[in-house]
Amino acid sequence: SAVISQKPSRDICQRGTSLTIQCQVDSQVTMMFWYRQQPGQSLTLIATANQGSEATYESGFVIDKFPISRPNLTFSTLTVSNMSPEDSSIYLCALGDTQYFGPGTRLTVL
Amino acid sequence: GDSVTQMEGPVTLSEEAFLTINCTYTATGYPSLFWYVQYPGEGLQLLLKATKADDKGSNKGFEATYRKETTSFHLEKGSVQVSDSAVYFCARGGYGGATNKLIFGTGTLLAVQP
Repeated sequence: SAVISQKPSRDICQRGTSLTIQCQVDSQVTMMFWYRQQPGQSLTLIATANQGSEATYESGFVIDKFPISRPNLTFSTLTVSNMSPEDSSIYLCALGDTQYFGPGTRLTVL
Repeated sequence: GDSVTQMEGPVTLSEEAFLTINCTYTATGYPSLFWYVQYPGEGLQLLLKATKADDKGSNKGFEATYRKETTSFHLEKGSVQVSDSAVYFCARGGYGGATNKLIFGTGTLLAVQP
């Protein structure tokens, strides 16, 4: 099965700053997704990372806040922009082909 | 709208007890169904899945059967261990071009006592 890694694994950030999260897969995958898991809650899909084109966002999520890149079939980034404490969550990438998830990035915004 | 409903936790059991965690979903078709497990401090792991009606997913002693009549996918295990203590999430896939997008239930915390 594919090995998925995310960087950073955790970070503590100041309000108003931005953080870029990387997701790397050791094999080519067709579909990649980004999810958010807010403290004590379930997972919510943010967007589909489309290779070579703009990401497709779910209701309630916008590109200005969560810009996504997918330059090739093994890599994607999610940026959390202009952060506020409400953005404190675990952010996970996932593979659409296998429904496997990365280890997650635990973000705390002060 | 589309949703997944799980029984609320926490569920507290003694070791070797029988486990059932209920999960029901809303759907106009037959999406794929999944159970994920999240152990304390760890990431989300796919536990089992079923892709069509009457399929049974199984892994590590856990089982779940895709019941289209009752739109359910209940998770069961005959004899739980302390190491099974975790949060369990039920999820369903989408339709058409969105079959791989997952909708999650709220999660059920299982605590197994020795």
